[in-house]
Amino acid sequence: GEDVEQSLFLSVREGDSSVINCTYTDSSSTYLYWYKQEPGAGLQLLTYIFSNMDMKQDQRLTVLLNKKDKHLSLRIADTQTGDSAIYFCAESIRNNDMRFGAGTRLTVKP
Amino acid sequence: EAGVAQSPRYKIIEKRQSVAFWCNPISGHATLYWYQQILGQGPKLLIQFQNNGVVDDSQLPKDRFSAERLKGVDSTLKIQPAKLEDSAVYLCASSPGTSGGAQYFGPGTRLTVL
Repeated sequence: GEDVEQSLFLSVREGDSSVINCTYTDSSSTYLYWYKQEPGAGLQLLTYIFSNMDMKQDQRLTVLLNKKDKHLSLRIADTQTGDSAIYFCAESIRNNDMRFGAGTRLTVKP
Repeated sequence: EAGVAQSPRYKIIEKRQSVAFWCNPISGHATLYWYQQILGQGPKLLIQFQNNGVVDDSQLPKDRFSAERLKGVDSTLKIQPAKLEDSAVYLCASSPGTSGGAQYFGPGTRLTVL
């Protein structure tokens, strides 16, 4: 397909781990990104991974990349209420253009 | 380091009116992007500039949208005339390099067309 796909909603309890999944489209994408968007705000870059890597860890965030299946995931350890937001997966395509998914709304319940 | 600045933050207009949005990218960033984000969707690229030249405007509805980046710094995006379906958040982003690397987004301008 042509779209970057993400599940639309995820709900977890505070302190649990969250896993947000994404499938992308272009096997030649060189970079894959995760952005966070809070209400009324722009997109905040969380992390990104080069396509020649299969894992990247940054504090509570772990990104896993399966190039064969074109599958990307973001794991947030010890999820907090402040992590409630919409998370966008994006792939880089030609000329550094980005193609975004529709976003996954993460709700963290106390 | 200051982030990407955009103004206005909100704009309400009637259909067939004109509107303009302004963006100031992060200092030194060569590449500037305008995105349209319709409610419930991810951002979609409208136009990409590298310095003051257009790299990609294939998704820009050129019959009503125009954009410029004079002097390779600030940019304006204009809609004339606006339609109801133009209601969206218009996001500006910048990146330092000419290929690869992350884009940094401004807070966006929320446009409502009545």
